[in-house]
Amino acid sequence: GAGVSQSPRYKVAKRGQDVALRCDPISGHVSLFWYQQALGQGPEFLTYFQNEAQLDKSGLPSDRFFAERPEGSVSTLKIQRTQQEDSAVYLCASSLAGQRAEAFFGQGTRLTVV
Amino acid sequence: GENVEQHPSTLSVQEGDSAVIKCTYSDSASNYFPWYKQELGKRPQLIIDIRSNVGEKKDQRIAVTLNKTAKHFSLHITETQPEDSAVYFCAASRITGGGNKLTFGTGTQLKVEL
Repeated sequence: GAGVSQSPRYKVAKRGQDVALRCDPISGHVSLFWYQQALGQGPEFLTYFQNEAQLDKSGLPSDRFFAERPEGSVSTLKIQRTQQEDSAVYLCASSLAGQRAEAFFGQGTRLTVV
Repeated sequence: GENVEQHPSTLSVQEGDSAVIKCTYSDSASNYFPWYKQELGKRPQLIIDIRSNVGEKKDQRIAVTLNKTAKHFSLHITETQPEDSAVYFCAASRITGGGNKLTFGTGTQLKVEL
């Protein structure tokens, strides 16, 4: 596709429910990032993939958060046993590797935990 | 890790005036500084970026300056127009051979008034 695609755009989950958020990066982009954006704040780094390898997961807030990119393309961010504090917009970004640093963002998934 | 501070949090200007947003960063190894524009409910979009080997970059009405010694960089928008109204985020990162993990500022809500 022409840009980074995320689905669903909106998700309402009951507290304790598991959710899965999907990111379809720009074709050929080696690097893929997940960010969490709370209301009125800047995006905060969660995790990073280079192809299928998860090279940095230092930003994941708890072991309830899990991300994968098994074939080096589409990625899924899974949140288990959702809590109210997980409510945020989850943004995915992709970029070429190396010195071509520009990151292209998806429109995000707005997660509301009730 | 990197820490990015951004000021002001809100900025209101008259159409045609200039707007300046300032950011500071903490990690002297950071070498890439993008600026993103985010309209309500939409994805962050890159508007300009600068690397540490230059001090200034300009693209039509938008310019960015970088002072590596002081570890601060600024966004300048001249001849502001109503469509410039949005939230602007600065970010900093260290480009490596792999990913480009961005640390964002907290954002500036720019309002251009008629």
